[in-house]
Amino acid sequence: EAAVTQSPRNKVAVTGGKVTLSCNQTNNHNNMYWYRQDTGHGLRLIHYSYGAGSTEKGDIPDGYKASRPSQENFSLILELATPSQTSVYFCASGDINQAPLFGEGTRLSVL
Amino acid sequence: QQKVQQSPESLTVSEGAMASLNCTFSDGTSNNFRWYRQHSAKGLEVLVSIFSDGEKEEGRFTAHLNRANLHVSLHIREPQPSDSAVYLCGSSNNRIFFGDGTQLVVKP
Repeated sequence: EAAVTQSPRNKVAVTGGKVTLSCNQTNNHNNMYWYRQDTGHGLRLIHYSYGAGSTEKGDIPDGYKASRPSQENFSLILELATPSQTSVYFCASGDINQAPLFGEGTRLSVL
Repeated sequence: QQKVQQSPESLTVSEGAMASLNCTFSDGTSNNFRWYRQHSAKGLEVLVSIFSDGEKEEGRFTAHLNRANLHVSLHIREPQPSDSAVYLCGSSNNRIFFGDGTQLVVKP
């Protein structure tokens, strides 16, 4: 069954610490996306990827890095986490003309 | 980059009454459009995908696309309290652009 799995589902981090959010898809989609969702801002695109080895900056990339080591996996990395990065993060996979599939989200709190 | 405007911001309807949501895009560069539903900050569920002008029905959910007016709407027939959620519209080519959502409340 097609799926997008995010881990962890919940994370508490300290300011200045490194955080890695992981995403795995079993859909064989070329494109993968990382969004954050905050009240009043909807879904905002952080980074995306067209395939293994590629990463592209989205609309709000500052403070985030991304890594796409394989077709299935796409990670979001916060090298120096800040409280302003407290949010809910969603990963998605998709292709042109195919409905995207979303993970269940990761709730990150940076204290 | 594409801007997506949704209206209304919030909508309350009675169970069984039609609910109508709207979405306007800033340009015509996208080639497909979708409506999503999100319950309580959980993952997004695709309700309807539409690629050409006209109407597309998926169960109780009907989308209408008018590319010339840069407009897509969603009509929910016989809404139920379980349909209470945030509804997002999105346009995409290789990226997905989202509106800020409409909070729908369906009262029993």
